Amino acid sequence: QVELQQWGAGLLKPSEPLSLTCAVYGGSFSGYYGSWIRQSPEKGLEWIGDINHSGSTNYNPSLKSRVTILRDTSKNQFSLQVNSMTAADTATYFCARGRWLAPFESWGQGTLVTVSS
Amino acid sequence: DIQMTQSPSSLSASVGDRVTITCRASQGIMNALAWFQQRPGKAPQRLIYVASNLQSGVPSRFSGSGSGTEFTLTISSLQPEDFATYYCFQHNRYPYSFGQGTKLEIK
Repeated sequence: QVELQQWGAGLLKPSEPLSLTCAVYGGSFSGYYGSWIRQSPEKGLEWIGDINHSGSTNYNPSLKSRVTILRDTSKNQFSLQVNSMTAADTATYFCARGRWLAPFESWGQGTLVTVSS
Repeated sequence: DIQMTQSPSSLSASVGDRVTITCRASQGIMNALAWFQQRPGKAPQRLIYVASNLQSGVPSRFSGSGSGTEFTLTISSLQPEDFATYYCFQHNRYPYSFGQGTKLEIK
């Protein structure tokens, strides 16, 4: 049974960066995509970006200039960094693992990130 | 960008009812579509992938169909645990995108 556990700061001030990490337990990262998704009442579910096992990334243009997704295959982890956070970035952030044509088969528990002064 | 539009946005139904949720893509996405169920306070869970493939462990009362721009999720006989919010998701072209969700409530 594959399990994803994520962690990172949940309260940020405007302009601070967001950093979240997602660890995959009980399964490999090889051959899979690691993705980040966020959810807010205003925007619903929003795909942020993904990284494959070789390190290639794709980002949503709405966030692209501020987002970096990295992976550490030796630790079976991948991470999300978002710079210059604003109140509009307040959301629950999820990590997920999937394959090509079979997205998001496993999810992290979610992290509520609040941006407030 | 590809816009995904679900209908209805909300739906009231009774245990035992058959319900269908529709998802339309603003351009063709072949069969690169998945359906997710989300209960309050939980992460979404995948039900269907590649438009019609049932996720292992998901009850057979769930089914998906469609290709191109129009897709449906059908629940053949609603059970109490099925009252949740359902989302479609396209992964044919970046940036990937979700529908706005369909909230299924008990009548």
